[in-house]
Amino acid sequence: GAGVSQSPSNKVTEKGKDVELRCDPISGHTALYWYRQSLGQGLEFLIYFQGNSAPDKSGLPSDRFSAERTGGSVSTLTIQRTQQEDSAVYLCASSLRTGTGGEKLFFGSGTQLSVL
Amino acid sequence: RKEVEQDPGPFNVPEGATVAFNCTYSNSASQSFFWYRQDCRKEPKLLMSVYSSGNEDGRFTAQLNRASQYISLLIRDSKLSDSATYLCVVNRLGAGNMLTFGGGTRLMVKP
Repeated sequence: GAGVSQSPSNKVTEKGKDVELRCDPISGHTALYWYRQSLGQGLEFLIYFQGNSAPDKSGLPSDRFSAERTGGSVSTLTIQRTQQEDSAVYLCASSLRTGTGGEKLFFGSGTQLSVL
Repeated sequence: RKEVEQDPGPFNVPEGATVAFNCTYSNSASQSFFWYRQDCRKEPKLLMSVYSSGNEDGRFTAQLNRASQYISLLIRDSKLSDSATYLCVVNRLGAGNMLTFGGGTRLMVKP
């Protein structure tokens, strides 16, 4: 597909379980972002990958959250020991970096995570 | 202080009205600015970039004021379909020029 793909689209889990969310960015896009958005709230930055540079993890809310990006393409966001406050839509976005700063972001449709 | 700040609204306007949103940013060295639109329960999508000289796209006009560190979005002749949340986006210099989103301004256009 031509767009950013996220899976699953919906995930319901029990408190204390681990979850993995997947993002397939647009081919060739070197920048990849994870955000989360609670109902009626703004986007909360989580983590940013840019090429082979060390990721910017400054937005991760706790050490239960981690993310990796393999081969500069697919990314996985892992939440360990999920809590009810982790319930939100998790959005992934990618962009084609040209070095000038701030290119158009393409978002996936998100994963709706519900922690019971 | 947040890096990018917006009035959350909501702005309730009648069809045909002109409405303007402002967004302030804290990093004076920021170089790239954008407006994104997010419909309810949908992902954000790029509305328009903001250029130093100001730019227009149909009913939408974006302007940048570097001295006061704000950008604006003006919507003329509002349509019902303009109802959405408008997100201001600024690049963060250093650390790979990461983009930072404001909290969004909600617009509701009513008949």
